[in-house]
Amino acid sequence: EAAVTQSPRNKVAVTGGKVTLSCNQTNNHNNMYWYRQDTGHGLRLIHYSYGAGSTEKGDIPDGYKASRPSQENFSLILELATPSQTSVYFCASGDARANTEVFFGKGTRLTVV
Amino acid sequence: GDSVTQTEGQVTVSESKSLIINCTYSATSIGYPNLFWYVRYPGEGLQLLLKVITAGQKGSSRGFEATYNKEATSFHLQKASVQESDSAVYYCALTPAGNKLTFGIGTRVLVRP
Repeated sequence: EAAVTQSPRNKVAVTGGKVTLSCNQTNNHNNMYWYRQDTGHGLRLIHYSYGAGSTEKGDIPDGYKASRPSQENFSLILELATPSQTSVYFCASGDARANTEVFFGKGTRLTVV
Repeated sequence: GDSVTQTEGQVTVSESKSLIINCTYSATSIGYPNLFWYVRYPGEGLQLLLKVITAGQKGSSRGFEATYNKEATSFHLQKASVQESDSAVYYCALTPAGNKLTFGIGTRVLVRP
């Protein structure tokens, strides 16, 4: 079964600190995505990737970097965390073919204090 | 840009009653986007409930149905008789092509026994 695993599941960070959220998929999917979910908003796309070595900006990339060192792994990096980045983050993977299902991880709850 | 509007907040319904969650969309990047309903059960990641990629068609899964109405730009989710296990957050979403999803705000459904 398709699997996307996020770590950590919960994180408390201090303002100005660096935070790395990790995502691993065993689906052999080319595409991977990072979304955030906030009250009053649907999931919003931060960064995505078409394969190892590739990262693309999504709709709300400011304050975030992404890294795709391998097919399986996709990280989201907050170099200088701010309280406005407190949110629930979801990683997802999907096949490069159009109209195929996207598989999501269980989410990471990040609190920046 | 593309957007999705769905029933906001929480919908509370008694077990065995019917449920409808409204969803309308605006797709400026393409005339006929692909439409999806995703569901997030407590403690889990989002998972695909159903999808329809052809205007006029109906999708169904687990007793839920949604019809792609291109004239009304709607994709309402319905179930004739809900169960307590249907308590979850439901997201309407679209892609113009490929699988970069644009999500609605999410609707929390609480089914009372």
